[in-house]
Amino acid sequence: AQKVTQTQTSISVMEKTTVTMDCVYETQDSSYFLFWYKQTASGEIVFLIRQDSYKKENATVGHYSLNFQKPKSSIGLIITATQIEDSAVYFCAMREVASSGSWQLIFGSGTQLTVMP
Amino acid sequence: EAAVTQSPRNKVAVTGGKVTLSCNQTNNHNNMYWYRQDTGHGLRLIHYSYGAGSTEKGDIPDGYKASRPSQENFSLILELATPSQTSVYFCASGAGTISNERLFFGHGTKLSVL
Repeated sequence: AQKVTQTQTSISVMEKTTVTMDCVYETQDSSYFLFWYKQTASGEIVFLIRQDSYKKENATVGHYSLNFQKPKSSIGLIITATQIEDSAVYFCAMREVASSGSWQLIFGSGTQLTVMP
Repeated sequence: EAAVTQSPRNKVAVTGGKVTLSCNQTNNHNNMYWYRQDTGHGLRLIHYSYGAGSTEKGDIPDGYKASRPSQENFSLILELATPSQTSVYFCASGAGTISNERLFFGHGTKLSVL
């Protein structure tokens, strides 16, 4: 079975700095998809960024980027120039395909990021 | 932007009672999911569906049933609610294609079972 692990429970950083959140995964699949989602204080969960395992380039969206290290089964989320509104819980997730052909996301336990002024 | 609406937003139930959580999506997505969120566990999958009439068990299905009567609606049913089912429940939908695999989440239902 696939597994996603986030060992950092919480991180605090100063505004305008760069932060990296760690995530390691386990899979037997040769091709797989990894995601990061953000949960705001209001509880809203939104998609941030995605990495396809067959792509060598690290994905980048706005001030979010990924550090994909396939040999280490690691997909870190990097946020540059952090802002107060980046304070949230960040979830790492992996796509898992069921025998029926449908797919689901397996989530890590999340990392609480606090950005301080 | 896809819209996923959950109802109710908050629910207080008694132990042994029946609880139905409803979810509606307006983007014609094939796949729908029910997750629960508890401190220290992140989001855990309860049931999911890949189309009207289908339901599949997720990682923690015990004590829950699901129903997908139409493309738009997906319900989570607790026939005999227990205090251990106190949690925040999230519904999500997704197109189910490799090129468009992001999930869209509802705002959650906070369930308290007393």
